[in-house]
Amino acid sequence: NAGVTQTPKFRILKIGQSMTLQCTQDMNHNYMYWYRQDPGMGLKLIYYSVGAGITDKGEVPNGYNVSRSTTEDFPLRLELAAPSQTSVYFCASSYRLPANYGYTFGSGTRLTVV
Amino acid sequence: TQLLEQSPQFLSIQEGENLTVYCNSSSVFSSLQWYRQEPGEGPVLLVTVVTGGEVKKLKRLTFQFGDARKDSSLHITAAQPGDTGLYLCAGAGSTLGRLYFGRGTQLTVWP
Repeated sequence: NAGVTQTPKFRILKIGQSMTLQCTQDMNHNYMYWYRQDPGMGLKLIYYSVGAGITDKGEVPNGYNVSRSTTEDFPLRLELAAPSQTSVYFCASSYRLPANYGYTFGSGTRLTVV
Repeated sequence: TQLLEQSPQFLSIQEGENLTVYCNSSSVFSSLQWYRQEPGEGPVLLVTVVTGGEVKKLKRLTFQFGDARKDSSLHITAAQPGDTGLYLCAGAGSTLGRLYFGRGTQLTVWP
């Protein structure tokens, strides 16, 4: 049982480049999330999805896009990377309402934009 | 504006000491969770508290949810170096499909 798998683990981008952060889960969880974590700032929600075909913005969605075509996959797209997007990105999933079940997190992608 | 305020931000103690970490808000939460994160890894769920006044114990860790469901505390008895990590509290508010996280408490326990 792999849980939540994120790839790549590390990436360096140049300003203006684009990339997709991959996230897949094998637990048949309906809810999936993308957070970014900056030192001393906690976790900020970028986008989330309550099921295939449904996505919604979180607190910091600008500069990012998502899609949810299957239950298992929730990729995060960065267009025109900027230094402000240097961060550690975490994907998470929840079986049902996270208030009751909590999140299962992936191990993160550390992104540096130079 | 941070919905959940954690204190202290940093805590450095010797093995065997006791400690308490606080998570406070002016908002009411339907539940509150505590996570622990180790370097290079994602946070891992420790506990969920749901009822006001609820107390849960996990070995040497004791979690309490405030009576008004606006705050929570984590108490560790006889801390060990293996307790070192970033402790995050997270609350579920009116938007039940997501959690709101505090900024975390970085705990270091020295042998």
